[in-house]
Formats: sequence, structure tokens, C-alpha cells
Amino acid sequence: SQQGEEDPQALSIQEGENATMNCSYKTSINNLQWYRQNSGRGLVHLILIRSNEREKHSGRLRVTLDTSKKSSSLLITASRAADTASYFCALNQAGTALIFGKGTTLSVSS
Amino acid sequence: EPEVTQTPSHQVTQMGQEVILRCVPISNHLYFYWYRQILGQKVEFLVSFYNNEISEKSEIFDDQFSVERPDGSNFTLKIRSTKLEDSAMYFCASFAALAGGNTGELFFGEGSRLTVL
Repeated sequence: SQQGEEDPQALSIQEGENATMNCSYKTSINNLQWYRQNSGRGLVHLILIRSNEREKHSGRLRVTLDTSKKSSSLLITASRAADTASYFCALNQAGTALIFGKGTTLSVSS
Repeated sequence: EPEVTQTPSHQVTQMGQEVILRCVPISNHLYFYWYRQILGQKVEFLVSFYNNEISEKSEIFDDQFSVERPDGSNFTLKIRSTKLEDSAMYFCASFAALAGGNTGELFFGEGSRLTVL
């Protein structure tokens, strides 16, 4: 199994700005998922995008998937201080457990 | 809203001692997982469990680790003889099922922090 690689490792923005995080991977996937983790807490599922989908939205979140480039991006629009957290992409390959990347640490200051 | 619960939230143990971490997955879920996260690092897969047996395990999950579903609700991770490097946050997760055997949304517990001295 292989993990995704998130980029950047850390991101600092002001409230109201958009935050974009990227995830690249090397093998074929069934789906790609994004999770959020507040400091010292468990992971919370944000969005799942299947390999045959190109874009999904959920509230202020927008996820894209480009299987030809083997990459995905997570966009958080109009960020808030409460969005401060670590964000992980997780890959699902056929018949395997979810494998998480190292995450992007987002800091949103007011 | 249903949730995955884990106990204890924090356990301190001496090197060489046995530790059991407990999890109660969401009741209608069929797939169960243990992950661990060393402080500030990535979330690492340990083991998955389905139909009362291990379905997949990582290199980390060596003979010192075991999992069990002793009854219809609990899912446990046992570390037989703890080492200093076992210090980490251990997360239990579960999910129902997706068509085609793909892994869908995982529901995570809040974790059990293990400190090995």
C-alpha cells in the first residue's frame, strides 16, 4: 500500500482567505478521502471522492481529483479560525485499508 | 449521533508490561481498524478486522500485537510487552461497508494515548 503525499506541510493564512492543500500519489486508487484532525483529537471524515469522479463539494469544501496526474486538492473557502487543524488525504486501493499521508497543518489567524 | 468510543483515554505503563486498549465501534459497522500516531507524525495503519478475523495488517503489527473481538461490542488491541517506541496515540476506527469491497468513510474514536516509560 502506498500513502499520499500532502503539500504544503504547513499553511498559514488569514481568516476569510482560501486554503488549498494538495495530495499526490503513485498507484491506482478506488477512492481518495480527506480527513481533518484537531490537535489531540480523533480524525473526522470530510469528503470521499471516487476514482471516476472529478470534483465534489461539501459546504465550504471543494475536492478535485485528477487520476491522470494522480493528484487531488482540497480547497477550503472563506476560512475561519475554527478551520485550524491538520488535514490528511487517505488512499483506498483495491482490497486494502485506508492509508494516510503525513498531513498539512493549517493555521488560520483572525 | 453514533460514535466510536475508546478507553482508556490515557495510559502510562512501564516498558515490558502488557497493555490492552479497548474500543466500542459503531453498532452496525462490520469493519474495524487500529491506527496509531506518534506525536506530530503521520497516522499509521496497524490492522483491519472483519468477520472475526484479521483481514490485513502492516509491518508494525508484529507478534507483540494482537486484536480480539471478545463479544458483540468490544474490539481490543493488546500489546504484549511494551517498548518505548510504542508510545503513541492509538485510534480505533470502524465503517459499515461499501459496494465492491471499497473502504468508505471511517469513523474514528478520540484515541488512547499510550506512554511507555
